[in-house]
Amino acid sequence: QSVLTQPPSASGTPGQRVTISCSGSSSNIGSNTVNWYQQLPGTAPKLLIYSNNQRPSGVPDRFSGSKSGTSASLAISGLQSEDEADYYCAAWDDSLNVHVVFGGGTKLTVL
Amino acid sequence: QVQLQESGPGLVKPSETLSLTCTVSGGSISSYYWSWIRQPAGKGLEWIGRIYTSGSTNYNPSLKSRVTMSVDTSKNQFSLKLSSVTAADTAVYYCATLSPSGSLDYWGQGTLVTVSS
Repeated sequence: QSVLTQPPSASGTPGQRVTISCSGSSSNIGSNTVNWYQQLPGTAPKLLIYSNNQRPSGVPDRFSGSKSGTSASLAISGLQSEDEADYYCAAWDDSLNVHVVFGGGTKLTVL
Repeated sequence: QVQLQESGPGLVKPSETLSLTCTVSGGSISSYYWSWIRQPAGKGLEWIGRIYTSGSTNYNPSLKSRVTMSVDTSKNQFSLKLSSVTAADTAVYYCATLSPSGSLDYWGQGTLVTVSS
């Protein structure tokens, strides 16, 4: 059972816009920034969005992030076949001792 | 750009201690926080903990009693020890850099550790 809640799956057709939600609580998303990771099949995760809505160098602007209260979202516009991957949200959690918590991951399928 | 490489035994017996090392290249180990993350086959990511070059640590509360992290600045390496392992500890283990905001910026390729007799 993951601390952050994501839908297990999402799908879209090429060119569509898809959003993936991430729900948390006051001790994590509500008081800290959210980061998103993309994991292509058989590879290590890659940082996709940091500090709620910032893209690392090299990440296309088709990817965007937002946060409101204790929830966050990842949006992918102009969906491409190479976007088919698992996506994870994560944030610091201030309960007990400070630690990072992840969502359970969302498998994105490009139809 | 920082590159990380995990190394260690791929097979550990139940009740023994899992030991992994992450070697850092392309950057100074003194410049970041360092983190371990694991992923059981077909499942999600679990953060294990972080260490700074000063030796200060934070561990996942669910693993805290069994985890020890250390850093060797002379070798540009940091390490993970997980004691009293069971089959539930079988996973791909990743090392990564951890920014103050909590983003895991650079990742190693991961190493599979299987707990089995």
